[in-house]
Amino acid sequence: EPEVTQTPSHQVTQMGQEVILRCVPISNHLYFYWYRQILGQKVEFLVSFYNNEISEKSEIFDDQFSVERPDGSNFTLKIRSTKLEDSAMYFCASSGDSLYGYTFGSGTRLTVV
Amino acid sequence: GDSVTQMEGPVTLSEEAFLTINCTYTATGYPSLFWYVQYPGEGLQLLLKATKADDKGSNKGFEATYRKETTSFHLEKGSVQVSDSAVYFCALKPMYSGGGADGLTFGKGTHLIIQP
Repeated sequence: EPEVTQTPSHQVTQMGQEVILRCVPISNHLYFYWYRQILGQKVEFLVSFYNNEISEKSEIFDDQFSVERPDGSNFTLKIRSTKLEDSAMYFCASSGDSLYGYTFGSGTRLTVV
Repeated sequence: GDSVTQMEGPVTLSEEAFLTINCTYTATGYPSLFWYVQYPGEGLQLLLKATKADDKGSNKGFEATYRKETTSFHLEKGSVQVSDSAVYFCALKPMYSGGGADGLTFGKGTHLIIQP
């Protein structure tokens, strides 16, 4: 069964540093997403991406965040200057159909120290 | 805005017990509804879905029926197993979505613990 692959599984970074979280969506999917889950809290939508541009973003997705699909297969989330409160599990997801649910990756746990 | 409310956990049951996890939603029109499951140390997996009123989603013995009149999508299973221990998330996708652009709105999740 096709999978969404995320790397790394765990990343530790110092406050103020830039991080890039990487995702390889399912190859024939067209819609791509990032979500985050702060420990013990609900999963929150960050951003959706379609046709090489952002389709929608939440209040959380401020100027510190950016997404890119640099080579037609990878889908990345960049946090320019990490804060302690950015510590969370970040999930990538992709969808081939606008009507149904998505396939999620297993997540990257980001720890900002 | 859209929202999803789930019963608070943890929910602790004995093996072979009947399970109900309540989920209600607030949304415009007829959203699509989903249950996702997160096993320890893993990502979110789609468990089941329903896209219109009175639809019943089912998978691995779990069922949920889309009830428009009560804006609910309660998850049920007749006989739970230890392997069902996980966190269960109810989610919705808005009715008016721009070609898949709109994100899912999740509930806070319900931690289910099944004891042997």
